[in-house]
Amino acid sequence: GAGVSQTPSNKVTEKGKYVELRCDPISGHTALYWYRQSLGQGPEFLIYFQGTGAADDSGLPNDRFFAVRPEGSVSTLKIQRTERGDSAVYLCASSRRDGLTETQYFGPGTRLLVL
Amino acid sequence: DQQVKQNSPSLSVQEGRISILNCDYTNSMFDYFLWYKKYPAEGPTFLISISSIKDKNEDGRFTVFLNKSAKHLSLHIVPSQPGDSAVYFCAASGSGGSNYKLTFGKGTLLTVNP
Repeated sequence: GAGVSQTPSNKVTEKGKYVELRCDPISGHTALYWYRQSLGQGPEFLIYFQGTGAADDSGLPNDRFFAVRPEGSVSTLKIQRTERGDSAVYLCASSRRDGLTETQYFGPGTRLLVL
Repeated sequence: DQQVKQNSPSLSVQEGRISILNCDYTNSMFDYFLWYKKYPAEGPTFLISISSIKDKNEDGRFTVFLNKSAKHLSLHIVPSQPGDSAVYFCAASGSGGSNYKLTFGKGTLLTVNP
């Protein structure tokens, strides 16, 4: 597709459950990012992939959060034992990483609600 | 501690007039700045960017100004149109090895009245 796509667009789950959020980056973009946006805040960095490897996962809030990108394209963000505080919009972005500065292009996000 | 600050939560302007959105930053390692526009239920859309080696970048109705000594940047939209109504986020990234990580402000809701 032309842009970054994310599925599902909305996810409602119960506290303690496991969820997976999927991101399809723009074709040809080697870099992929996950951000989290809570109500009234700007997006906050979670993790960055260059190719298949997580180059920086310093933004993941704790070990309940994990992300993979096994073939260097699609990525999945996994959250174990969800808590109400995990409720937020999870945004994925991709970029070419072909220079010193770059533009990240965002998907529409997945709205996660933990009851 | 917020490293990128957008101190105005909202701004209302009349169609045809200029909109000025402001952003301040505290981290002197930031050297690349971007503005994103966000409509409800959509992801942020890239608008315009500026590198620290410049003090102005223009793209159609949108101009971004950077004042490095004041650690301040602004986005000017002229003339403003009702379709510009959205939340605008200022974002910054650093130099060297961490230049991929965007730090965002909290956003400013712009309303352009017909």
